[in-house]
Amino acid sequence: NAGVTQTPKFRVLKTGQSMTLLCAQDMNHEYMYWYRQDPGMGLRLIHYSVGEGTTAKGEVPDGYNVSRLKKQNFLLGLESAAPSQTSVYFCASSYSHLGGPKAFFGQGTRLTVV
Amino acid sequence: AQSVTQLGSHVSVSEGALVLLRCNYSSSVPPYLFWYVQYPNQGLQLLLKYTTGATLVKGINGFEAEFKKSETSFHLTKPSAHMSDAAEYFCAVSPGYSNQAGTALIFGKGTTLSVSS
Repeated sequence: NAGVTQTPKFRVLKTGQSMTLLCAQDMNHEYMYWYRQDPGMGLRLIHYSVGEGTTAKGEVPDGYNVSRLKKQNFLLGLESAAPSQTSVYFCASSYSHLGGPKAFFGQGTRLTVV
Repeated sequence: AQSVTQLGSHVSVSEGALVLLRCNYSSSVPPYLFWYVQYPNQGLQLLLKYTTGATLVKGINGFEAEFKKSETSFHLTKPSAHMSDAAEYFCAVSPGYSNQAGTALIFGKGTTLSVSS
């Protein structure tokens, strides 16, 4: 089925550990995005990519790195997790821009840093 | 810079009552506007969107929203609330053009809708 798949769906990390969240889409979309959702803050853009091999910072990029080595995958890395990174992470992809007709969100990854 | 303000972090209504969730935006270009719904422990679902054309937009589940440029608003309404409407609702804005800086959606902080019987 076409769509955006996030892996893993849940994870608990200890402070200082590292991990990578994977976002995969099979729709040949150029644009991919990582958001974080926190209570009372809505969704805030962490990083985004407008094509294979390109990435750019969003509103809240500190503490995160990303890579887009393959068009279908957008990886979000936490090198040294902190409790402030406890959040729900959403990936999205689109054919053109996220407001366009073909935009999809993943189901989210719930990350807890203890 | 674009921004979205959702007035009221929590709205409570009785079943059968009118639902009104408020959203105001700021944008230097004609915006695309969206409402998303998130049910507990689930992802985002697009309710409706305004791009161009008719300013009254009808969405899924009986919701509609009206784009009012003079008021920079895009309020979400539903004539009669159902218990199943209880969720968090997000308003979002996009400049709608495909350049690197403008491709993402900017979200409001969300409004939690509670529906009582």
